[in-house]
Amino acid sequence: GESVGLHLPTLSVQEGDNSIINCAYSNSASDYFIWYKQESGKGPQFIIDIRSNMDKRQGQRVTVLLNKTVKHLSLQIAATQPGDSAVYFCAENRGYSTLTFGKGTMLLVSP
Amino acid sequence: DAGVIQSPRHEVTEMGQEVTLRCKPISGHDYLFWYRQTMMRGLELLIYFNNNVPIDDSGMPEDRFSAKMPNASFSTLKIQPSEPRDSAVYFCASRYQETQYFGPGTRLLVL
Repeated sequence: GESVGLHLPTLSVQEGDNSIINCAYSNSASDYFIWYKQESGKGPQFIIDIRSNMDKRQGQRVTVLLNKTVKHLSLQIAATQPGDSAVYFCAENRGYSTLTFGKGTMLLVSP
Repeated sequence: DAGVIQSPRHEVTEMGQEVTLRCKPISGHDYLFWYRQTMMRGLELLIYFNNNVPIDDSGMPEDRFSAKMPNASFSTLKIQPSEPRDSAVYFCASRYQETQYFGPGTRLLVL
């Protein structure tokens, strides 16, 4: 069935590097996307969102890129810090009240 | 605002016992969601409410699971009787516009 999936289950980077986490989605009707960060023992935390009428949105040290042609979403984290270590989920809104979540990518940041 | 509040944070119980998980959503949010998270299945939507009314409970695994929302500031998820396979982290989330905000979760262990 249609789903949101992540290509890489684990991403290891060095502190100070830029990180890129990818997400593929299959439903072309999805109009809203969110990235969540989940630290160990905590609930998912909203990071940044983007609507389907945009292709880029920037926050503090984070940028989300949306490529609707290939149904691809990415989260870029600049100057990655140890505190960025977490599992990152993408989620899509297919026009209903609920979100569909991907399986997550674990980001490991080494000092 | 204190964010979404869940209690208890941890629950250990024996098979066959009743378990009640509690959630206080963020004030003003009109949607409330209950999720279950396990390593094997990831984040699963169990049920959600809009203005205190259950909208979709198709994710509730069995009749042993039930959820209520008697008012805008409180919801419960009950498991009766509990089984070891119910062991998971249960999250409550409330929604503002299209963004869901998660609570810290309840870690349930059924022995």
